[in-house]
Amino acid sequence: QKEVEQDPGPLSVPEGAIVSLNCTYSNSAFQYFMWYRQYSRKGPELLMYTYSSGNKEDGRFTAQVDKSSKYISLFIRDSQPSDSATYLCAMSTLVGGFKTIFGAGTRLFVKA
Amino acid sequence: DADVTQTPRNRITKTGKRIMLECSQTKGHDRMYWYRQDPGLGLRLIYYSFDVKDINKGEISDGYSVSRQAQAKFSLSLESAIPNQTALYFCATSEGRTGSEQYFGPGTRLTVT
Repeated sequence: QKEVEQDPGPLSVPEGAIVSLNCTYSNSAFQYFMWYRQYSRKGPELLMYTYSSGNKEDGRFTAQVDKSSKYISLFIRDSQPSDSATYLCAMSTLVGGFKTIFGAGTRLFVKA
Repeated sequence: DADVTQTPRNRITKTGKRIMLECSQTKGHDRMYWYRQDPGLGLRLIYYSFDVKDINKGEISDGYSVSRQAQAKFSLSLESAIPNQTALYFCATSEGRTGSEQYFGPGTRLTVT
């Protein structure tokens, strides 16, 4: 079993749709939860970062963390063609020493 | 100018050759990381360094070595390249020790024939 599972997609939605991206993980020690966006032939860029359980909103993006279920989500409202990219979830911890892992990424296409 | 730069951007090399990938950053961060990205596997951590004197192995360090020449420079070496090291390699930096906000370079596409 992988430590983090992320549906690779591709996910295709019309412009203006609400997008839901998700990851599940197995290690309860993870404390910090991130979402990165990666455009083709570019490095990942940080979108959102949350600590422990809860919600965080930034513009059209909302990140949710449910540590009890080991489940994290990223919601994109009013999706735009420019949101078309691969979205990577990531998590890290300092418990027992530093550890960080990334999901394999979900490819998102937003059609105009 | 980019905050995190990587050289070369593309490299083709032969099996058995030694190769070095270089990373420089102007963000002033102490923490630096090397990852490889393979289709379907996501990013996997090779090595990380929390400061010039602190270097640690990541998930997949076998066949790789690193050197932290200065706060701003972190190099990755493949001592004897093999074809399954063909991948996209990324360098990243972070300010905090938690690794929760990492800034990535543009990547180096390495092909080992």
